Amino acid sequence: LAKTTQPISMDSYEGQEVNITCSHNNIATNDYITWYQQFPSQGPRFIIQGYKTKVTNEVASLFIPADRKSSTLSLPRVSLSDTAVYYCLVDSNAGKSTFGDGTTLTVKP
Amino acid sequence: KAGVTQTPRYLIKTRGQQVTLSCSPISGHRSVSWYQQTPGQGLQFLFEYFSETQRNKGNFPGRFSGRQFSNSRSEMNVSTLELGDSALYLCASSLDSSGGSYNEQFFGPGTRLTVL
Repeated sequence: LAKTTQPISMDSYEGQEVNITCSHNNIATNDYITWYQQFPSQGPRFIIQGYKTKVTNEVASLFIPADRKSSTLSLPRVSLSDTAVYYCLVDSNAGKSTFGDGTTLTVKP
Repeated sequence: KAGVTQTPRYLIKTRGQQVTLSCSPISGHRSVSWYQQTPGQGLQFLFEYFSETQRNKGNFPGRFSGRQFSNSRSEMNVSTLELGDSALYLCASSLDSSGGSYNEQFFGPGTRLTVL
């Protein structure tokens, strides 16, 4: 399974754009890149998934360069409610996902 | 569409006892996975069930077991509880987790197990 590296924590202010980068140098051909968000005492929630290039949905964008060795989750105009832990996953089998330590994002007023 | 449900939400047991946790996946989902989350170890994969068969297994001792029923509902059991088993146990379901495509997982709220 590809190992991921992401910052342990990040701080931001309301209204700013937040970019969280994840490194996954050993990504395999059939691996997808998936990001989850988790609030305290809740299960993780799917944010976005991509294979290559750029993916955008109603809550975030995911940028993946051509070599796929890294990816960046972009959260536009964050609010206090976006304070959470964000996990970057790289695997081909959703049923046995490997969660790393995640990035704790703190949004300040 | 109802989400993943887990029962009970909270549980207190003593060392040496056993416990059974239940998970009902989203209707139509055939894959059910279990995870253990602790402050020290983070989110760790326990096992995955698909069509009543254990398809994947994490690195946990044999005290941790599970099963899946024909309606895709799943249970996990922990025997001879230890203090270190205190954790949030999360269940997740997906349409299918393999077969050349990737399906997102939908997590339940978890069961908070405390072992005294």
